[in-house]
Amino acid sequence: EAGVAQSPRYKIIEKRQSVAFWCNPISGHATLYWYQQILGQGPKLLIQFQNNGVVDDSQLPKDRFSAERLKGVDSTLKIQPAKLEDSAVYLCASSLLRGTDLAEAFFGQGTRLTVV
Amino acid sequence: GENVEQHPSTLSVQEGDSAVIKCTYSDSASNYFPWYKQELGKRPQLIIDIRSNVGEKKDQRIAVTLNKTAKHFSLHITETQPEDSAVYFCAAPLYSGGGADGLTFGKGTHLIIQP
Repeated sequence: EAGVAQSPRYKIIEKRQSVAFWCNPISGHATLYWYQQILGQGPKLLIQFQNNGVVDDSQLPKDRFSAERLKGVDSTLKIQPAKLEDSAVYLCASSLLRGTDLAEAFFGQGTRLTVV
Repeated sequence: GENVEQHPSTLSVQEGDSAVIKCTYSDSASNYFPWYKQELGKRPQLIIDIRSNVGEKKDQRIAVTLNKTAKHFSLHITETQPEDSAVYFCAAPLYSGGGADGLTFGKGTHLIIQP
C-alpha cells in the first residue's frame, strides 16, 4: 500500500515570500490533516478535511495560512507571507474512517521549511 | 480544546530494562489515546492506541494503561532494545464529540537505550 506522499521534501525561502506544499493521501482515505511540527515539539494540528470540506481549522493562522482540497483527494497548504517562526516540518496525514477503529492517522514524510 | 502533558522529556535506560512514559489530559470526554514513535528525520508512526472503554492494551513488548479517573495514560516498553531509541509522543483528540478528530500531541519523550 502506498503511503501519504508529500512534496517538496525541503524548501528554503526568505521571509515575506510565499510557499506551497502538496499532499496526496492514501487512496480511499476521506480524512486529511495538516500538522505543523516545530523542532523539538509535538505536531500541532492546523486543519482537518473530510473529503473536500473543512471539519476543523481552529488552529490555522488564517491571516497567512490557507489550505484547500478541491476534489477531495490531493491537498495544498500555502503560507503567504512567511515569517521566521513558520520554520518547521509540515506533516500531512490521512485516515480511513474517523471516529472508528479504522481511524489511525498515517503520516507523510513531511516538508521541512526553513524561512531565512 | 484538549491539553496533553507528557513526562519525562528525556529518558535513558539500560538495554533490557523497562521504560515508562506518562501523559495527563484535561478533557474527561476524551476517548482515544494513541502513542506515536518518531525516529530522527522520519515520520511519526502509530505504535499502540487505547480507547476509553478499556484500561489496558498490550502488543508484544509494548503496553498502554489508562486511568480515566485520574485522567492519565502511560506507555510501557519492556525488554528495551537499541531500536527502541526514538522520540515518543502521546496524543488525544483536540476536541471531543462532533466531527473533528484531529489530535493534540504531548511535547515528546526522547528515549535513549544505553547498550
